[in-house]
Amino acid sequence: GAGVSQTPSNKVTEKGKYVELRCDPISGHTALYWYRQSLGQGPEFLIYFQGTGAADDSGLPNDRFFAVRPEGSVSTLKIQRTERGDSAVYLCASSSLGLAGLGEQFFGPGTRLTVL
Amino acid sequence: GQQLNQSPQSMFIQEGEDVSMNCTSSSIFNTWLWYKQDPGEGPVLLIALYKAGELTSNGRLTAQFGITRKDSFLNISASIPSDVGIYFCAGPSGSARQLTFGSGTQLTVLP
Repeated sequence: GAGVSQTPSNKVTEKGKYVELRCDPISGHTALYWYRQSLGQGPEFLIYFQGTGAADDSGLPNDRFFAVRPEGSVSTLKIQRTERGDSAVYLCASSSLGLAGLGEQFFGPGTRLTVL
Repeated sequence: GQQLNQSPQSMFIQEGEDVSMNCTSSSIFNTWLWYKQDPGEGPVLLIALYKAGELTSNGRLTAQFGITRKDSFLNISASIPSDVGIYFCAGPSGSARQLTFGSGTQLTVLP
């Protein structure tokens, strides 16, 4: 497809387990972003990649969260020792640089993570 | 960090009515963005504003970038059922690549 895709669409796990969430950005987009959206809230920034490198990871809540983008395309968000408070929708977005240095961010449908 | 205060939190309007929502911040934003999110989907950009005082339209949607750079308004005219959803304001912050979002306005259009 032409848009941002995320897998799985839903993930249910138990407290303490490890999870990986995948994002396939729009082809050719060099910038990739991860956000987390809790119920009734707007998305909150987690991390931003420019190419293969994490240019800004200031939004990661703690060291249980880690993300990679080894070939500058697909990205994986990894959460270790999951906690119930990690339950949320994890959104991925991609963009190419545009006017004013802020290209439009195109969002995927998200992965709904539920930690029991 | 920067925060965006969005109001109202929810709105119930009759089909055909106009609706207005706003977003304020305690700090200056150089770009204001308005997104719409449908259930089970990611946000979709509706309008982008880059200049203080700018008024931009996209079909039945009109948005304004406040002169103080600390607020923005979104108006929807002649609402239709497909306008139902959550509307978010957003602006770049931090490294200027991350977006800060408001908490959203849930819009319900009654037939």
